[in-house]
Amino acid sequence: EVQLLESGGGLVQPGGSLTLSCEASKLTFSTYAMSWVRQAPGKGLQWVSIINPSGDTTYYADSVKGRFTLSRDNSTNTLFLQMNSLRAGDTGVYYCAGDQGYFDYWGQGTLVTVSS
Amino acid sequence: DIEMTQSPSTLSASVGDRVIITCRASQSISSWLAWYQQKPGKPPKLLIYEASSLESGVPLRFSGSGSGTEFTFTINSLQPEDSANYYCQQYDTVPSTFGQGTKLQIK
Repeated sequence: EVQLLESGGGLVQPGGSLTLSCEASKLTFSTYAMSWVRQAPGKGLQWVSIINPSGDTTYYADSVKGRFTLSRDNSTNTLFLQMNSLRAGDTGVYYCAGDQGYFDYWGQGTLVTVSS
Repeated sequence: DIEMTQSPSTLSASVGDRVIITCRASQSISSWLAWYQQKPGKPPKLLIYEASSLESGVPLRFSGSGSGTEFTFTINSLQPEDSANYYCQQYDTVPSTFGQGTKLQIK
């Protein structure tokens, strides 16, 4: 069974930084595009960023462009989201997801709280 | 960005009922639409992709249809465990966008 395990969430002050990780198992990781999708408390789903299987192409939502950086290490089956200049509006649960256009595999999510 | 408008926002139905949720795209997305179920404290679960293809392991009472800008998601013979939030998602164009969700309650 495919598993995606996120880590790295926590409480951070506005303007601070966090790096989220997502470790994949039982997934042919190096052939899968991967995305992050977030969900603010009590709200809907918002796509954040996608990276292609080789890691040389990324896209970002306008709301995070220039602040977030997505990367991957196919040798360790791990996805990384470097988040800088964090704002209160970035608060929420961050899910990594296997991306075939639709998201067929999801992690359990990691909570990011941006607050002073 | 493509805007996805989902309706209704909330829905209450009884066990055994047929439930229909609609999703409208602000421009044509061909059949590049997915539907998800999300229960409290859990990640979303893929139910339908490419507008009408049922994900492996998903019960046959779930179905989807539509193309272009108008889509429907149907649950036949509603079960108690179907109480959840449901989201549509377009993946025709980056950024992928979701509908605002439908909260389905069982009477």
